[in-house]
Amino acid sequence: AQSVTQLGSHVSVSEGALVLLRCNYSSSVPPYLFWYVQYPNQGLQLLLKYTSAATLVKGINGFEAEFKKSETSFHLTKPSAHMSDAAEYFCAVNAGNTGKLIFGQGTTLQVKP
Amino acid sequence: SAVISQKPSRDICQRGTSLTIQCQVDSQVTMMFWYRQQPGQSLTLIATANQGSEATYESGFVIDKFPISRPNLTFSTLTVSNMSPEDSSIYLCSVNSGGNYEQYFGPGTRLTVT
Repeated sequence: AQSVTQLGSHVSVSEGALVLLRCNYSSSVPPYLFWYVQYPNQGLQLLLKYTSAATLVKGINGFEAEFKKSETSFHLTKPSAHMSDAAEYFCAVNAGNTGKLIFGQGTTLQVKP
Repeated sequence: SAVISQKPSRDICQRGTSLTIQCQVDSQVTMMFWYRQQPGQSLTLIATANQGSEATYESGFVIDKFPISRPNLTFSTLTVSNMSPEDSSIYLCSVNSGGNYEQYFGPGTRLTVT
């Protein structure tokens, strides 16, 4: 069965600091992994995706994530936080070959000036 | 990617009434999904809607409460029936587009039931 765990429901960083949002997955099939961002009062926007090609994936807004099979992790990073990065972030994994996604619990990123 | 719109964007409804949410996609897609996002929570899948077949509901969701229509490859509706305050949530539709299981989301419908 597939599952996703996001460690830390709330992360707070200073503007300009490194952003690290943690995601661990469990999958009985080759995983496809995704990070989504949700700004207040908006839908979800795809940040980046891992689809079994390069293990280091670059996304929009300066975010990137590294797929580590040995650690079953797909952590999201950004070298320098900006105030506009404050949002809710969701990690997701495909539910086998059903076309469905399984979402983590979400991490709220707060950026302090 | 796909561009998705939802109507209404928000609504305040009385308990016991029903609301139908529309989801329109700018391209033809096979799979559409309906999610519920309760306040401060993650997304919970309600059902998968494929054109030409009955929607498939996840555990805990039933057709009588959340009837879904999928008349063509670009449109779907979700009805929230006999509403109670516990149905106050954001309802999101998404589509599977571009392969590799990625989904694209509509802006959501924010529902408040009083």
